[in-house]
Amino acid sequence: KAGVTQTPRYLIKTRGQQVTLSCSPISGHRSVSWYQQTPGQGLQFLFEYFSETQRNKGNFPGRFSGRQFSNSRSEMNVSTLELGDSALYLCASRLAVTDNEQFFGPGTRLTVL
Amino acid sequence: AQSVAQPEDQVNVAEGNPLTVKCTYSVSGNPYLFWYVQYPNRGLQFLLKYITGDNLVKGSYGFEAEFNKSQTSFHLKKPSALVSDSALYFCAVTPRGGGADGLTFGKGTHLIIQP
Repeated sequence: KAGVTQTPRYLIKTRGQQVTLSCSPISGHRSVSWYQQTPGQGLQFLFEYFSETQRNKGNFPGRFSGRQFSNSRSEMNVSTLELGDSALYLCASRLAVTDNEQFFGPGTRLTVL
Repeated sequence: AQSVAQPEDQVNVAEGNPLTVKCTYSVSGNPYLFWYVQYPNRGLQFLLKYITGDNLVKGSYGFEAEFNKSQTSFHLKKPSALVSDSALYFCAVTPRGGGADGLTFGKGTHLIIQP
């Protein structure tokens, strides 16, 4: 069974632009979560989607948004990029929100210049 | 809100020696606890988890962790370190029944195994 895939793996943007990241969960998994990893703040929870609905959201500004499609694939969007948005963005999937184990993708490395 | 502390930014161990990576947590109610490992330019790989039952949990690559409820700790251990164990290790917690904040991670500990 294929693991969690994320595209693109690397991305370079400039301040003020917007970006969309994509995550395909493990087949059959219906929950997708997003995390931001930075050297200063570590790993921080962004949001979780289940059955196309956002279940939970971390403490991030409204510039960070996401969605989930009927095939469970998820996208994350960041608008009006800031230098501080440079990070590794990790996606994780699990079968259901009651399932305690999450499987992580390789991440998308976003650099904002 | 839950929190995780990994008090050591870096742990240095000679190859063949036992290793311990420390983790303490704070959560309302009973916890689900996890250890993940991250290699350079890679995502997180699951090592092991504590859900319930035996306090000593065995995981991948010979790692184990001991859940200590009274000390709210979940230290990662391995009897004999390998150079290939060198990586960044994260402890994570979520309250039993699921949390609104996803997994809460510690800051991570760099484990360096010296040949």
